[in-house]
Amino acid sequence: GAGVSQTPSNKVTEKGKYVELRCDPISGHTALYWYRQSLGQGPEFLIYFQGTGAADDSGLPNDRFFAVRPEGSVSTLKIQRTERGDSAVYLCASSLTSGGTDTQYFGPGTRLTVL
Amino acid sequence: AQSVTQLGSHVSVSEGALVLLRCNYSSSVPPYLFWYVQYPNQGLQLLLKYTSAATLVKGINGFEAEFKKSETSFHLTKPSAHMSDAAEYFCAVTSFTSGTYKYIFGTGTRLKVLA
Repeated sequence: GAGVSQTPSNKVTEKGKYVELRCDPISGHTALYWYRQSLGQGPEFLIYFQGTGAADDSGLPNDRFFAVRPEGSVSTLKIQRTERGDSAVYLCASSLTSGGTDTQYFGPGTRLTVL
Repeated sequence: AQSVTQLGSHVSVSEGALVLLRCNYSSSVPPYLFWYVQYPNQGLQLLLKYTSAATLVKGINGFEAEFKKSETSFHLTKPSAHMSDAAEYFCAVTSFTSGTYKYIFGTGTRLKVLA
C-alpha cells in the first residue's frame, strides 16, 4: 500500500513569506506526527495529532508555527513570517494509534530553504 | 525528562566486519526504544524496537539490539557488514510522560562500509 507522502519535496522561499507543507498519512492511521530535522541532527518533535485534535504541540518553537488536521487524515504545517533559521527538512510520520509501541512510518520529508 | 546519546557521529567498518552503533538513554520511567535507518533521500525506516518484552531484539536486515537497563544502553549490532548497510542510523526513546508519548531522537550515526 501507499506510504506517507509529503508535498512539496522542496520549497524555497524568502524571509518573511508564508509557507504550507502537506502530509498524507497512511490510510487508517489515527496518529500523525511532525518533526523538524536540521543538518547533522536527529528529528526534533514538533506536534502530534490523534484524530483531528492536536494531542501535544509542545514542540512547536513559537507562534509562527501552526498545524491542522481537519478531517483526521491529511495534515498541513503552516509557517508564518519565515526566518532563515526555519530552514530544515520537515518530516511527517503516521502510526496506527498513538500508543508508545506503535511503529511510526515516515515520509521522505520536505526540504525548506528560507533565503 | 528523556534524552538519547549516540556515541560517534561517524563510524567506519570494513565489509564483513562487526557493526556496533552505540546508544545510551535517560528516562525517569520505563522506556520504549527504537532504531531507525535513513538512506539518502529516503524517509526513516524502523529497524527494530524494544517494547519491554525480550531484552534482545532482532530486526530487519540482520540487525539486533540488546536493552541493558543497568547500563541504560540499547546498542545496535550486526555480525557482518554489507555495503548496503551504509546509511545514517538514529536511536529514539519514548515513554508515557504527562499524558502522552513523546519521541526523542539521537543526533544520528553515519555508517560507512569500506570494501
